[in-house]
Amino acid sequence: QSVLTQPPSVSGAPGQRVTLPCTGSSSNLGAGNDVHWYQQLPGAAPKLLIYGYTFRPSGVSDRFSGSRSATSASLAITGLQAEDEADYYCQAYDKVSGWLFGGGTKLTVL
Amino acid sequence: QVQLQESGPGLVKPWETLSLTCAVSGGSISDSKWWSWVRQPPGKGLEWIGDISHGDNNYKPSLRSRLTMSVDRSKNQFSLRLNSVTAADTAVYYCARWRKYGRPDDYYMDVWGKGTTVTVSS
Repeated sequence: QSVLTQPPSVSGAPGQRVTLPCTGSSSNLGAGNDVHWYQQLPGAAPKLLIYGYTFRPSGVSDRFSGSRSATSASLAITGLQAEDEADYYCQAYDKVSGWLFGGGTKLTVL
Repeated sequence: QVQLQESGPGLVKPWETLSLTCAVSGGSISDSKWWSWVRQPPGKGLEWIGDISHGDNNYKPSLRSRLTMSVDRSKNQFSLRLNSVTAADTAVYYCARWRKYGRPDDYYMDVWGKGTTVTVSS
């Protein structure tokens, strides 16, 4: 079954830089499909953070950035702040399963 | 600025049909090609359910046999119907708008509703 794999949790201290990985396969990221990232604050709807691997929508802090490799993507957050504590999901299209979300990574700010 | 608002029953009995509507405000539903439904079971991650366009659809394969989506341009809304629901369909249901960028098939979800909770229970 096609999946996007994310670590369940990541933590960092205020001011630090953290990286959240998202690993795909040949049927999604390896097929040339883009990755998007969403932030979900507790009790809220998801919010678009990064699209097309690296593009930031207007209004999203430049502390958030995205990168890519062959079958994986990463979200980096610099200058970690307490307000960044949230769940982060990657998303990509899969030619077998349709749109996929990763399982999500819970970011804890220590 | 486009806003989305989900509505529908909060409680559905097992084996009955779940029906939800997403009202589009601040813009026309015809201004965007694709609209989507996403759900989130309690304590779990996001799950894409399917997409609807004017005259086309794209459903998650495992839900396809139970799922129907439609667009009502006159009411500026789109809808979801999921048949024969079980407890596994209990979730917060979100509607979202797909925005096009880049290559012909490149889209991302740029606007989300606040979500509506649906519980399947007798």
